[in-house]
Amino acid sequence: DQQVKQNSPSLSVQEGRISILNCDYTNSMFDYFLWYKKYPAEGPTFLISISSIKDKNEDGRFTVFLNKSAKHLSLHIVPSQPGDSAVYFCAASDGGSQGNLIFGKGTKLSVKP
Amino acid sequence: DAMVIQNPRYQVTQFGKPVTLSCSQTLNHNVMYWYQQKSSQAPKLLFHYYDKDFNNEADTPDNFQSRRPNTSFCFLDIRSPGLGDAAMYLCATSRENQGLGTQHFGDGTRLSIL
Repeated sequence: DQQVKQNSPSLSVQEGRISILNCDYTNSMFDYFLWYKKYPAEGPTFLISISSIKDKNEDGRFTVFLNKSAKHLSLHIVPSQPGDSAVYFCAASDGGSQGNLIFGKGTKLSVKP
Repeated sequence: DAMVIQNPRYQVTQFGKPVTLSCSQTLNHNVMYWYQQKSSQAPKLLFHYYDKDFNNEADTPDNFQSRRPNTSFCFLDIRSPGLGDAAMYLCATSRENQGLGTQHFGDGTRLSIL
């Protein structure tokens, strides 16, 4: 059974608008969450993370929100740009120095000019 | 630039014929990972090395083995590939004291089985 779920396989947004990508998890032991971005023919690259002691982390146009009670996190991109078009993976870790990650299936974001 | 390099980018092998995928890193990270990603699926951790210590995920098939001869290199050996092993294989690295979970990925090797 999937412990990290991204229920929307794809999302299409107009340039300049907000993109909201959602992620749900089932394991209450997860205490660190990450978003990775993947372009075609490239490996995933780290985008932003959040610890379970926080409910928000912001980095430029990217903000991640964490709702522990709902076991839900979301990535907001504002304003969206065509270069943001990629697959976004949500990942979670139950901590520990080796940082093993459980990934979701990804959401393909298309930002249209 | 420091990076994680996977060779080859595309690998074709025959059903049952052993194949080796390679990964090298210039980041000097002490942890290296191998993931399998099938089409439209989540990357799935196969195993990882913490320095020389090998850690196998419980559901990784015995058909998959790994070697890490030194800090920079890690190999994935598939002893008898089946059609179900066709996938993208991703190598990643991390440093223990860099913080939880942040991993640096290579661009992957896409394995096809004939």
